[in-house]
Amino acid sequence: GENVEQHPSTLSVQEGDSAVIKCTYSDSASNYFPWYKQELGKRPQLIIDIRSNVGEKKDQRIAVTLNKTAKHFSLHITETQPEDSAVYFCAARDVNYGQNFVFGPGTRLSVLP
Amino acid sequence: DAGVIQSPRHEVTEMGQEVTLRCKPISGHDYLFWYRQTMMRGLELLIYFNNNVPIDDSGMPEDRFSAKMPNASFSTLKIQPSEPRDSAVYFCASSLTSGRRTYEQYFGPGTRLTVT
Repeated sequence: GENVEQHPSTLSVQEGDSAVIKCTYSDSASNYFPWYKQELGKRPQLIIDIRSNVGEKKDQRIAVTLNKTAKHFSLHITETQPEDSAVYFCAARDVNYGQNFVFGPGTRLSVLP
Repeated sequence: DAGVIQSPRHEVTEMGQEVTLRCKPISGHDYLFWYRQTMMRGLELLIYFNNNVPIDDSGMPEDRFSAKMPNASFSTLKIQPSEPRDSAVYFCASSLTSGRRTYEQYFGPGTRLTVT
């Protein structure tokens, strides 16, 4: 089945700097890659997603890039703000196993004022 | 829509007791997922349903865990008997598909379970 790795596990940046989180996946048939943000004590919430027919997608300060050949995708946050501090999870949809996502282990991002 | 609803939000129980967690998915969604989240193991998929039918329960840790979805608007996750290592946050999520196109999973607020 699918296996998703995520790096780094923790990331600290100064407010205003950029943050990049990288994920790799194992199943070349995966075709949907969402990113979820989870604030302390709250539920995971989708912040951006990308499908395998697209190489890049942007939504204001957040962007995701996908390299299907290398089987990796990355989350980019520009002009970070303290409210960006949270745990971020990447995921991949394993088309051979239906509609479930396989989540990465998460990255704890701290934005220092 | 109120989103995915879970109850209770917090549950504290003693080892050996039966625990039942409840979930109401978003109306019209055809997939329902149960996850468990711990610091050590992260976010783990336990089981998921499509149109009330269990599709994959390979993530259910052992026979003490069972899940049902008697109708499109209600699902339960039961642990009997509960053990301290079951302490975790349990999330329910639902999603809508159209053909083979995947849409996002919407998570409920979670149930924090503590087994003493």
